[in-house]
Formats: sequence, structure tokens, C-alpha cells
Amino acid sequence: SQTIHQWPATLVQPVGSPLSLECTVEGTSNPNLYWYRQAAGRGLQLLFYSVGIGQISSEVPQNLSASRPQDRQFILSSKKLLLSDSGFYLCAWSVGGGDSGSPLHFGNGTRLTVT
Amino acid sequence: DAKTTQPPSMDCAEGRAANLPCNHSTISGNEYVYWYRQIHSQGPQYIIHGLKNNETNEMASLIITEDRKSSTLILPHATLRDTAVYYCITSGTYKYIFGTGTRLKVLA
Repeated sequence: SQTIHQWPATLVQPVGSPLSLECTVEGTSNPNLYWYRQAAGRGLQLLFYSVGIGQISSEVPQNLSASRPQDRQFILSSKKLLLSDSGFYLCAWSVGGGDSGSPLHFGNGTRLTVT
Repeated sequence: DAKTTQPPSMDCAEGRAANLPCNHSTISGNEYVYWYRQIHSQGPQYIIHGLKNNETNEMASLIITEDRKSSTLILPHATLRDTAVYYCITSGTYKYIFGTGTRLKVLA
């Protein structure tokens, strides 16, 4: 069966520090990968998605970047964190796109607090 | 922007059916309807999806109107553990855009 791993579960970082969040998927090949952010009390905001190694689509201009160095690895990064980067970061994967009846499967998330 | 609209909150008595509506009046022919729920501080959990026909699984039933402009998620016998935020989304591409969902509270 497929599983998705996200780490760390919680993170407290000072303003101006770098960030690296990692997500890996097991049990499937060539998944579509996604990063979402959820601010406190808000809905999920799509940040990035990737349909293959090295292919990254950015949905929201921001202080963040994403990379996909391996088929089942997705990394979210920042060179300098802002207070507004605080939130709950979720990684997800799917087999295909929304028009193929492929649901998203989410990890347990990373709660980031920028101080 | 999200392409679905849902009521912000609903209450349901424990043991009764919970019927959560979703409007997706601009849905395209190739877009599926997906339902998720999120319990506080956890990642969203996939519940069910459908294109045209009604669907049922071990968690819920999905009723899609004939014109596909709206749908209803049915939890047949709600329990306290079903208290969560429920999201209805439509997608025909690689983008799955979430709205603010419906906060369902199951009352004892």
C-alpha cells in the first residue's frame, strides 16, 4: 500500500532563517506531488504541484520554492522565513489528475511557527 | 478561487444522518467531485468522489444531481468522531482547489 511521510511534525524557526521541509511517498511510481499551506483557522492554499522529476508549477507568488530531486521526494524551501510563513504545511500525492478520478492523499503535515 | 460553495457550519444529532450540501454550478464535463474531511490538526482525509453517478463506500454516500451542479455527502449514522470540517472540491486538472468547507458538529 502507499504511504506518505512528512517531517518534521512541528518546527519553530526565527525570522530570516532558512527552511527545508521534506515529503516522500512509498508504494507508487511517478506520483503527482503537492504542497499546501493552511493558515490558522483558514482553508487549504495550493502552493506548488509537480507531475514529474524537476517539473514544478507554482500557484502563489511567495517566499517559498519547491523542488523534486527524485521521483517520490518533494521538498519545500525558503531562504529567509517571514512571520507570514507560519502555518500548517501539507504534502499530498495523487496517481493522476482531477479528471481521472484520482483523489489526493495527504500526509500528517508540519506545523511551522516563525518567531 | 474555489469553484464550490458550502454552508459554513452545520449541526447533526448523533446517530442521525448528516447531509452536507455543495454547490458547483460551474462544473465542467471532465471534472470530478471530491469530498474530504479534516479533523483538527490533522491532514485532510479522502472520503469519496464521483463524476455523474451516485457513489457509496464504507464511509459515506455521494449524491450528484443530474445536471451535476450540486451534490450532497451523506454520513448515514453520524458519530461524535465525525465532527470535522468537510471540504467539497471539483477538479479536472492537476489543481485541486479547496474552499473553506463546512464545519460539522455532531451533538451527543
